[in-house]
Amino acid sequence: VQLVESGGGLVQPGKSLKLSCSASGFTFSSYGMHWIRQAPGKGLDWVAYISSSSGTVYADAVKGRFTISRDNAKNTLYLQLNSLKSEDTAIYYCARRWSVDYWGQGVMVTVSS
Amino acid sequence: DVVMTQTPPSLSVAIGQSVSISCKSSQSLVYSDGKTYLHWLLQSSGRSPKRLIYQVSNLDSGVPDRFSGTGSQKDFTLKISRVEAKDLGVYYCAQTTHFPWTFGGGTKLELK
Repeated sequence: VQLVESGGGLVQPGKSLKLSCSASGFTFSSYGMHWIRQAPGKGLDWVAYISSSSGTVYADAVKGRFTISRDNAKNTLYLQLNSLKSEDTAIYYCARRWSVDYWGQGVMVTVSS
Repeated sequence: DVVMTQTPPSLSVAIGQSVSISCKSSQSLVYSDGKTYLHWLLQSSGRSPKRLIYQVSNLDSGVPDRFSGTGSQKDFTLKISRVEAKDLGVYYCAQTTHFPWTFGGGTKLELK
């Protein structure tokens, strides 16, 4: 199992960014997937989940601003981040299945002017 | 939201010593299917989290049996016997029973 995030970077407040998580080593379409973030020096904070049938749920802090999606043909998970705020600055991890059994290496998102 | 309270926030340990970490939830973590979705993760310095134990007491593949998890309902414990240097890092409990999924604040295991 391998999960590789990409798409992070420095972005101004109010702007957008799209993260990707490329999956390999398992049948991606059969598993639900999470995005979980970790602000610098802080603990883990669940962001969003998409089921294998593409049902989605979000944390209140990101609802209406972030969108989780998946492309099973490309074995890729996405997170569209809109209307970014400074408090969204964090390492963003993708993780597999309901019980978070495998995690990617993470991608840094910095929101600053 | 379910609040996960981990104690202690940090532990200093000598190699070979045994330690326990507590995780208490603000409500029962028993799901409607009868299973308890409480897991333990280790985040070594500069690395992403790695799951060690799932559903309270089941060791993930490759995790040594020096690790054990116990507990039920709202009260859970991770025990590490004969601590080794590679065990150092921050341990998190995580619940995936109730939406939104939540994590404990972490316990940092350091060398004495």
